[in-house]
Amino acid sequence: AQSVTQLGSHVSVSEGALVLLRCNYSSSVPPYLFWYVQYPNQGLQLLLKYTSAATLVKGINGFEAEFKKSETSFHLTKPSAHMSDAAEYFCAVSPFGNEKLTFGTGTRLTIIP
Amino acid sequence: NAGVTQTPKFQVLKTGQSMTLQCAQDMNHEYMSWYRQDPGMGLRLIHYSVGAGITDQGEVPNGYNVSRSTTEDFPLRLLSAAPSQTSVYFCASLPYQGNTEAFFGQGTRLTVV
Repeated sequence: AQSVTQLGSHVSVSEGALVLLRCNYSSSVPPYLFWYVQYPNQGLQLLLKYTSAATLVKGINGFEAEFKKSETSFHLTKPSAHMSDAAEYFCAVSPFGNEKLTFGTGTRLTIIP
Repeated sequence: NAGVTQTPKFQVLKTGQSMTLQCAQDMNHEYMSWYRQDPGMGLRLIHYSVGAGITDQGEVPNGYNVSRSTTEDFPLRLLSAAPSQTSVYFCASLPYQGNTEAFFGQGTRLTVV
């Protein structure tokens, strides 16, 4: 069985500040891990993915995430928040790649001007 | 390429009515899936298909039917709509050999009254 826990359903940061969105996973097999972003009234878009090639993964729009097996975590970070980063972010896990994704409950990111 | 196209974008149903949510993709992807998104619950897998003629249940299949007669189309049928099926529905597709990006449609917002 696999699951994902996202800590904090709402996160607010000031423009220019560090963004940190937390994700912890459980999986019976080495997982594939993903972060997706959803802008208002739109579908989901892949930000980045971990596939065991490298523990630090860089994605689009300046986001990155680090896979830490000892902590079973895959937190998403961005050094400097931009107003356009306001969206909902989902962490997801799959033992098969992108198939049968199990999503977390999501974190809504608000950027304060 | 249009990617993944879902129709309709919005729908209101009365309890007990049936309807079909359409999903089409033009990327020749083998794998297609349906998710529902509910507040505070993330996205949950309803049904998925690994190719034409092959479908399987996900996490929350009750009340929904699917079929996959062609590679391009993967309709989701609500047999007898219930208020609990009020949700936003997303269709996704990807090449079957995982480790690639899943493409999501724009979603269908369904309200059952």
